[in-house]
Amino acid sequence: AQSVSQHNHHVILSEAASLELGCNYSYGGTVNLFWYVQYPGQHLQLLLKYFSGDPLVKGIKGFEAEFIKSKFSFNLRKPSVQWSDTAEYFCAVNAPHASGGSYIPTFGRGTSLIVHP
Amino acid sequence: NAGVTQTPKFQVLKTGQSMTLQCAQDMNHEYMSWYRQDPGMGLRLIHYSVGAGITDQGEVPNGYNVSRSTTEDFPLRLLSAAPSQTSVYFCASSYGLAGAYYEQYFGPGTRLTVT
Repeated sequence: AQSVSQHNHHVILSEAASLELGCNYSYGGTVNLFWYVQYPGQHLQLLLKYFSGDPLVKGIKGFEAEFIKSKFSFNLRKPSVQWSDTAEYFCAVNAPHASGGSYIPTFGRGTSLIVHP
Repeated sequence: NAGVTQTPKFQVLKTGQSMTLQCAQDMNHEYMSWYRQDPGMGLRLIHYSVGAGITDQGEVPNGYNVSRSTTEDFPLRLLSAAPSQTSVYFCASSYGLAGAYYEQYFGPGTRLTVT
């Protein structure tokens, strides 16, 4: 079965520090990749996505992610975090579902980011 | 557009009770999904649908039923609630193309407690 690993479960940073959150997946075929963010008390919303083309993807609020196919990775980065980036971050990967042909998303366990002012 | 709406926002059930969590979307999305979110477990897929009349099981389907009679609605039924079903439930919808989900739009969630 497809798996998605987010290695950093909790990250604490000070404002202006740089951020990199890891995401690795197991499926060896074509994938679609996503990062979602969940601000405290809110529902998930899309940060960025990769379907094809340039493997360096830019998203909202200064976030970017790089798809490295050989490493099965899609790490999220931000050069300088702000207090308002405090949230939970989820990586998701579209891959074929076990029981059918649909490409459905599998989510990682999430990374909780706390940014101190 | 209201996007994805879920009702109720909060619910407390006793063990053995049944209930339906409602989910509706007004974006004409083909794909809809139900997830549960538990601390440290991320989002786990319960059931999904790639169109009206078509549903399939996700990662954790036991104890839940779904149906998709219209494009807009995708209710989740808990057949006989158990404390292990205490969780936050999210519904999501998405465009689909050639069997693949595009980015998902999530509802605000239902926080369910089973005592």
